Amino acid sequence: ETGVTQTPRHLVMGMTNKKSLKCEQHLGHNAMYWYKQSAKKPLELMFVYSLEERVENNSVPSRFSPECPNSSHLFLHLHTLQPEDSALYLCASSQKTGSSFNYGYTFGSGTRLTVV
Amino acid sequence: AQKITQTQPGMFVQEKEAVTLDCTYDTSDQSYGLFWYKQPSSGEMIFLIYQGSYDEQNATEGRYSLNFQKARKSANLVISASQLGDSAMYFCALHTGTASKLTFGTGTRLQVTL
Repeated sequence: ETGVTQTPRHLVMGMTNKKSLKCEQHLGHNAMYWYKQSAKKPLELMFVYSLEERVENNSVPSRFSPECPNSSHLFLHLHTLQPEDSALYLCASSQKTGSSFNYGYTFGSGTRLTVV
Repeated sequence: AQKITQTQPGMFVQEKEAVTLDCTYDTSDQSYGLFWYKQPSSGEMIFLIYQGSYDEQNATEGRYSLNFQKARKSANLVISASQLGDSAMYFCALHTGTASKLTFGTGTRLQVTL
């Protein structure tokens, strides 16, 4: 497989459930990201991992818990979510090269999450 | 702070015509990069084109070109010879050294008609 793969593509969960989103990249990139895309809002950066270390956490509620066990895998663990957390969750990876800002960001197809 | 503004929520264009999608940005950094992504209904964000702040030439990639006007802080995407498959959401994004992340606009939905 190539690129960035996200599973599952769709997820419906109750507010008391615990679930996890998975992201895998086969590009040899050294940074991975979680973005949230809600209707009519810009993509919101949630977490950044660089070399498996979390370097950014944009005031995301603790009911979202990221995990990056290695440079190829990124998880987003979900528990006791709210209906307003329903959104498309996009994973991305990148590799900083040279002095350009074109880090080759590559996105997955996303997981469409519905909280009921 | 970094900010991207896309003022066109939706655009229509006839097949084979050209269309311009607007994007303005705000940053105090001197070095930055501007990106355009396409998002079809499947959800994936597809990279289209990149422009560095110090690039002297406007970027081009096939039917896509970026009209970069640094003094006006605008980075409009031009799609030539539109095709039905171009119908999608289009996002402009900014990357700066200070923020070290991509900041996105709200997007423009493009519909290509026969």
